[in-house]
Amino acid sequence: QSALTQHASVSGSPGQSITISCTGTSSDVGFYNLVSWYQHHPGKAPKLIIYEGDKRPSGVSTRFSGSKSGNTASLTISGLQAEDEADYFCCSYAGRSTYVFGTGTWVTVL
Amino acid sequence: EVQLVESGGGLVRPGGSLRLSCAASGFTFNKYLMHWVRQAPGKGLMYVSAISSDGTYTYYADSVKGRFTISRDNSKNILFLQMSSLRGEDTALYYCLKDQSGDYSFDHWGQGTLVTVSS
Repeated sequence: QSALTQHASVSGSPGQSITISCTGTSSDVGFYNLVSWYQHHPGKAPKLIIYEGDKRPSGVSTRFSGSKSGNTASLTISGLQAEDEADYFCCSYAGRSTYVFGTGTWVTVL
Repeated sequence: EVQLVESGGGLVRPGGSLRLSCAASGFTFNKYLMHWVRQAPGKGLMYVSAISSDGTYTYYADSVKGRFTISRDNSKNILFLQMSSLRGEDTALYYCLKDQSGDYSFDHWGQGTLVTVSS
């Protein structure tokens, strides 16, 4: 499978909202409602922030929200904070026990 | 606190072998599906392999099938990835992941161990 497509970078000012998109195909993102999102600060382990498209694990800020339309999943970060500066990548189940990952989006807080 | 600590990475020549380990703690290891993914330098993440909680079911990406073997020791809470016939394109940071259980996501990741295949 091909990687899910994400913009390389997104930026926003503190307090603003930003949206990161993750585009796949009708065989992965579009077929399954099983997209997860991860926050990755360099040098640390990635952290799960959204699963099953729009669910937040316990302890994850409500500022993070997920959605999907067609073959594109989206992650919105509202009330942007300095600590949100990190890489964000998506992942979709793609059937037959396999997964496909996004290319990652670096979020810069201006 | 859940911890996943990978080890075993290093420099290996093409055609060589290496065994990665992932020491798990902070959860009931034998109840969870476990995974390996990798990230080559400058590239995105690639899903590599998975093993069921009891070790009876395994999955491999086509690019590693027949060369890599995933296994686990539930008595010692360790996940393994035996890699053989290594190629340059296997050079990557290898991550061990814990399945969140039933929702096709990964709720804990290790920090990765680097494998470099080069002559």
